[in-house]
Amino acid sequence: EAGVAQSPRYKIIEKRQSVAFWCNPISGHATLYWYQQILGQGPKLLIQFQNNGVVDDSQLPKDRFSAERLKGVDSTLKIQPAKLEDSAVYLCASSPWTGNEQYFGPGTRLTVT
Amino acid sequence: AQKITQTQPGMFVQEKEAVTLDCTYDTSDPSYGLFWYKQPSSGEMIFLIYQGSYDQQNATEGRYSLNFQKARKSANLVISASQLGDSAMYFCAMRGPDDYKLSFGAGTTVTVRA
Repeated sequence: EAGVAQSPRYKIIEKRQSVAFWCNPISGHATLYWYQQILGQGPKLLIQFQNNGVVDDSQLPKDRFSAERLKGVDSTLKIQPAKLEDSAVYLCASSPWTGNEQYFGPGTRLTVT
Repeated sequence: AQKITQTQPGMFVQEKEAVTLDCTYDTSDPSYGLFWYKQPSSGEMIFLIYQGSYDQQNATEGRYSLNFQKARKSANLVISASQLGDSAMYFCAMRGPDDYKLSFGAGTTVTVRA
């Protein structure tokens, strides 16, 4: 069974530029999560989708971050415009239903200069 | 609000020895779940073990065991017979009863020496 796929693995941009990350969850998993992991810290949930609906985006900085999960499968997370403090690893995870164990992808390491 | 505390930023362990990673948590909910994840340098979070708050026995998964002390609100991870491949960052996480969100601790870096 294929795991959670993410791309790109690495991205370097200048502040005020835009960037997008892509995630393809494990086939059949209804729930998809985006986490932000700043160096030296544990991951922090940004947004959770149940199928194609948003369950929780309370910690998503909505003035610059957006995410969508069209058709309830893959998802895109966008930052526009990026700030220096957005430098982090962005992890995507999926689970069969809320409350189950979450399976993580390899992450996208973003560096904003 | 849920809070996870991992007080050991880094630990060294000799190959084939056991190591205990500390985790304490704070919640007012009687029902919750505790997780441990491993994050190697490649960046992927790997699920290791799960303990439910109502589970009577401590969870075990191969070389991993969870020392669950509910009254003390601690959920320490024990890795037995350490291997070089165990060198990684380890995170403790908690989920509440109606809360799908995982709250993570700051992590502990484990380095296994040959």
